[in-house]
Amino acid sequence: DAKTTQPPSMDCAEGRAANLPCNHSTISGNEYVYWYRQIHSQGPQYIIHGLKNNETNEMASLIITEDRKSSTLILPHATLRDTAVYYCIGGTSYGKLTFGQGTILTVHP
Amino acid sequence: KAGVTQTPRYLIKTRGQQVTLSCSPISGHRSVSWYQQTPGQGLQFLFEYFSETQRNKGNFPGRFSGRQFSNSRSEMNVSTLELGDSALYLCASSLAQGQYTEAFFGQGTRLTVV
Repeated sequence: DAKTTQPPSMDCAEGRAANLPCNHSTISGNEYVYWYRQIHSQGPQYIIHGLKNNETNEMASLIITEDRKSSTLILPHATLRDTAVYYCIGGTSYGKLTFGQGTILTVHP
Repeated sequence: KAGVTQTPRYLIKTRGQQVTLSCSPISGHRSVSWYQQTPGQGLQFLFEYFSETQRNKGNFPGRFSGRQFSNSRSEMNVSTLELGDSALYLCASSLAQGQYTEAFFGQGTRLTVV
């Protein structure tokens, strides 16, 4: 599993896009990048994953650089309910997700 | 479709006792993973079971053990509890299809050791 580096905290105004960066320079060629988030006192929630191409679902978009050393999670129109800890994970092995410290995203009114 | 169910939600135990936590995965999911979350160490992987076999194990002492039943339900056991075992214990289930693993987490069991 690749080591990931994320900023400890970020702020965003409600209604604006939140762009959360992640560095995963040691990720190997067949390892997916996963994003999860954890709202206070709840279990982590899957957001999105990707390998090489950019991905979009109903929750977010994932932009992966061509060299795959970094990625950005985009929440297009952040709401107060998006305030959470966001985890970027590089690869998984037999059910093991290696969570780092994540980024605390605070969405302000 | 029912989500991942963990029981009990809250538990208070005394040092030296043992505890068993239960996890019912989403129907059809054969992989169950367990995690410990503490303020100091964050989310740490304990172990993963697939079709009743432990396939992966984290760096925890032997006091932490688990098992999975034929219906994919899983239990984890912690013996000889220590104060430091106080944590939120989370389980996650997934289809575990190859490299791609979308894990669904339960609400967790909050264990307090006094």
